[in-house]
Amino acid sequence: GAVVSQHPSRVICKSGTSVKIECRSLDFQATTMFWYRQFPKKSLMLMATSNEGSKATYEQGVEKDKFLINHASLTLSTLTVTSAHPEDSSFYICSAQGTSGSVYEQYFGPGTRLTVT
Amino acid sequence: EDKVVQSPLSLVVHEGDTVTLNCSYEVTNFRSLLWYKQEKKAPTFLFMLTSSGIEKKSGRLSSILDKKELFSILNITATQTGDSAIYLCAVVVTGTASKLTFGTGTRLQVTL
Repeated sequence: GAVVSQHPSRVICKSGTSVKIECRSLDFQATTMFWYRQFPKKSLMLMATSNEGSKATYEQGVEKDKFLINHASLTLSTLTVTSAHPEDSSFYICSAQGTSGSVYEQYFGPGTRLTVT
Repeated sequence: EDKVVQSPLSLVVHEGDTVTLNCSYEVTNFRSLLWYKQEKKAPTFLFMLTSSGIEKKSGRLSSILDKKELFSILNITATQTGDSAIYLCAVVVTGTASKLTFGTGTRLQVTL
């Protein structure tokens, strides 16, 4: 299957700082990327949908000024957690969908564990 | 609001047992239901179900969808320790560009 990478895999930051997480589709072009967060022993919760070259669509309850998403190219989307607080500590996973738009072609990255101290 | 619920939340079985995981949903404009396996990191795709009554099979895993009763089951026969994982089901509704709404997940542990 296709490969999606995330960087970094793990990050610890201090409260009040900003953290950028990258999601890359390595061997295919992704017109749509999705960002999820997952709390311990919980399921994935969709945060936002990002389409290349346009503004992201955020789910209800997700602050767009806090979780900045940029999808500048067909292979890269970034999520920036601004002014991070301990409650933002979570596992963040992206998925990338190929240009066919088929849900079969949605591949997940390995996730980024964010710890805010 | 779209809702996807899985049961049980967690399960411990012995190697060789057969397990059935459940996923029920209440969504508007259902399109497809997907099953994923999540070990430590990224969920990996197992099945996509769109039509009722057609069983999908892959090795010891199989799954079926009932669109009338709004649920799906995932069966694993002759379980192995490598089947230990979180199993997630997700629903796609029409007109949402393949946005996945995930269920609560079932944590399966297979012991020797």
